[in-house]
Amino acid sequence: EDQVTQSPEALRLQEGESSSLNCSYTVSGLRGLFWYRQDPGKGPEFLFTLYSAGEEKEKERLKATLTKKESFLHITAPKPEDSATYLCAVPYRGSTLGRLYFGRGTQLTVWP
Amino acid sequence: GAGVSQSPRYKVAKRGQDVALRCDPISGHVSLFWYQQALGQGPEFLTYFQNEAQLDKSGLPSDRFFAERPEGSVSTLKIQRTQQEDSAVYLCASSLAEANEKLFFGSGTQLSVL
Repeated sequence: EDQVTQSPEALRLQEGESSSLNCSYTVSGLRGLFWYRQDPGKGPEFLFTLYSAGEEKEKERLKATLTKKESFLHITAPKPEDSATYLCAVPYRGSTLGRLYFGRGTQLTVWP
Repeated sequence: GAGVSQSPRYKVAKRGQDVALRCDPISGHVSLFWYQQALGQGPEFLTYFQNEAQLDKSGLPSDRFFAERPEGSVSTLKIQRTQQEDSAVYLCASSLAEANEKLFFGSGTQLSVL
């Protein structure tokens, strides 16, 4: 069965303290791995899509990488406004890319 | 509007009541998705429309759940005879192209069934 597991469940960082979030997946024939950010009381907001092992994408302080078994979301010198839940997701096999299997997320808190 | 709009923002229902949740997608977006998010969990897929056609409803948890998008824009998710386990945030998302690589989510409707 396809699965997505995120770790850690929660992460507290001091402002400027870099770290990484992990997303491991067991999907055959990966058609893409998606990262979303979710703020409290809001819907998820699209960040990145990665399609093949070795691919990297960056946006401000965030960089997403992909291997054959997992993806990392690296946060460099985070700021309090980076506090959110970060979700990773993969498409269900044989279905449209928008039908996503989400992990439970990593709740990131960045304190000043 | 600029984004996906959902209403109501909050809905409290007594067990056994019927509810209807509305989604206004971004204008021109072909695809529309409904997801259910329980507290502390990631969103779970419910159903998918391309224009007015419901192409996938395999995620709907029971025959009490029904979704429609009659004119290919606004969509309604209806839950009949609500149960306590239906309490969750219901998220709507839309996508510009049929490839559905990037979803735009609304803020959701938080349903509480008492």
